[in-house]
Amino acid sequence: EVHLVESGGGLVQPGRFLRLSCAASGFTFDDYAMHWVRQVPGKGLEWVSGIGRNSDSIVYADSVKGRFTISRDNAKNSLYLQMNSLRAEDTALYYCVKGDWFDDWGQGTLVTVSS
Amino acid sequence: DVVMTQSPLSLPVTLGQPASISCRSSQSLEYSDGNTYLNWFQQRPGQSPRRLIYKVSNRDSGVPDRFSGSGSGTDFTLKISRVEAEDVGVYYCMQGTHWPPITFGQGTRLEIK
Repeated sequence: EVHLVESGGGLVQPGRFLRLSCAASGFTFDDYAMHWVRQVPGKGLEWVSGIGRNSDSIVYADSVKGRFTISRDNAKNSLYLQMNSLRAEDTALYYCVKGDWFDDWGQGTLVTVSS
Repeated sequence: DVVMTQSPLSLPVTLGQPASISCRSSQSLEYSDGNTYLNWFQQRPGQSPRRLIYKVSNRDSGVPDRFSGSGSGTDFTLKISRVEAEDVGVYYCMQGTHWPPITFGQGTRLEIK
């Protein structure tokens, strides 16, 4: 069974940084691209970033480009999102998502950017 | 960016009755490989999204056969043949043909009348 467990969320002041992690299990991690998707509570889904199986392809939404960095460690079956220069509008539940076609989703980790 | 437009945004349905959700894209979602990368997701209250349908009409494992997807080009539909109580939640379409960025519809909230 696929398990995706996000961690690293919390309350952070505007302008500061946070690093999210996603621990994956139940599948061959390096066989799949991975993505981050966020959701403001009560609102819709917004794709944030994606990374290829071997980190060969990395893409970002315009809203986070230059501030966020996606990475993965296939040896540790882990996905990361380094979030710098955080803004109030980055406040959301961040989901780790498996595969280019969004096969499976984690439970999310909540990031709150507020002073 | 491809804009995905869902309708209706709110869908009250009587138990046992059918339901239909429309999703329209601002450009054709048919990719050069012949596939159309349009997915449907269900998000039950308090839960993460779950994929129901991929590539327009392929139902995921464990998804009841009362759910079906259809469409082509820019017009797509998710149908529920007979709504059950467990179907309450928000439904999203998503395109993965023209990316980045991957884009979602606004969501359709299904509730029991």
